[in-house]
Amino acid sequence: QSVLTQPPSVSAAPGQKVTISCSGGSSNIGKHYVSWYQQLPGTAPKLLIHDDAQRPSGIPDRFSGSKSGTSATLGITGLQTGDEADYYCATWDSSLSAVVFGGGTKVAVL
Amino acid sequence: QVHLVQSGAEVKRPGSSVKVSCKASGDNFRRFALSWVRQAPGQGLEWMGGIVPVFATPTYAQKFQGRVTINTDESTTTAYMELSSLTSEDTAMYYCVRYSGYDYDTFPDYWGPGTLVTVSP
Repeated sequence: QSVLTQPPSVSAAPGQKVTISCSGGSSNIGKHYVSWYQQLPGTAPKLLIHDDAQRPSGIPDRFSGSKSGTSATLGITGLQTGDEADYYCATWDSSLSAVVFGGGTKVAVL
Repeated sequence: QVHLVQSGAEVKRPGSSVKVSCKASGDNFRRFALSWVRQAPGQGLEWMGGIVPVFATPTYAQKFQGRVTINTDESTTTAYMELSSLTSEDTAMYYCVRYSGYDYDTFPDYWGPGTLVTVSP
């Protein structure tokens, strides 16, 4: 059971938009920045979003992040087949003194 | 640009230990936190712990306390993770991760390729 809760899967047609939620609590998302990772099959995770909503260089603006209270959201617009992957949220938890991850969300492009 | 090069795949017997290395290049090794994250087959990501080389004091996730040791060798800019008392549930890909700052409240900006550890009788 992950400290951060994500939906197991989301799906949409090419060109459409999906959003992935990440729900936590006051000791993690409510107090610390959230980052998001994309993991393509058979590869290491890749940073998509940091500090709740910042994109590293090279990440297209189709990917966006937001946070409100103890929940964060990753948005992907203009969905492409290459976006099929697992997506994880993560943050520091000051009660656990540990980095915590969401359980991951598989994105399917129909 | 930072590169993280991890040691090769390991096959271990239950009850034994494994030590995985991660050599970092390209940036000031001492100033950035390094962590180990594992992923069992078909499962999610799990943070095991980490270390900031300049402080040299590791932080471990509660689940792994007493069973994991993380340290660094600054002379070779290499981080190590040793896990003892292995069971089949430790079969996983183990990733070395470098953070953007000197604590874990920053974000992991570089990931190693992973080291597969298989625990089998």
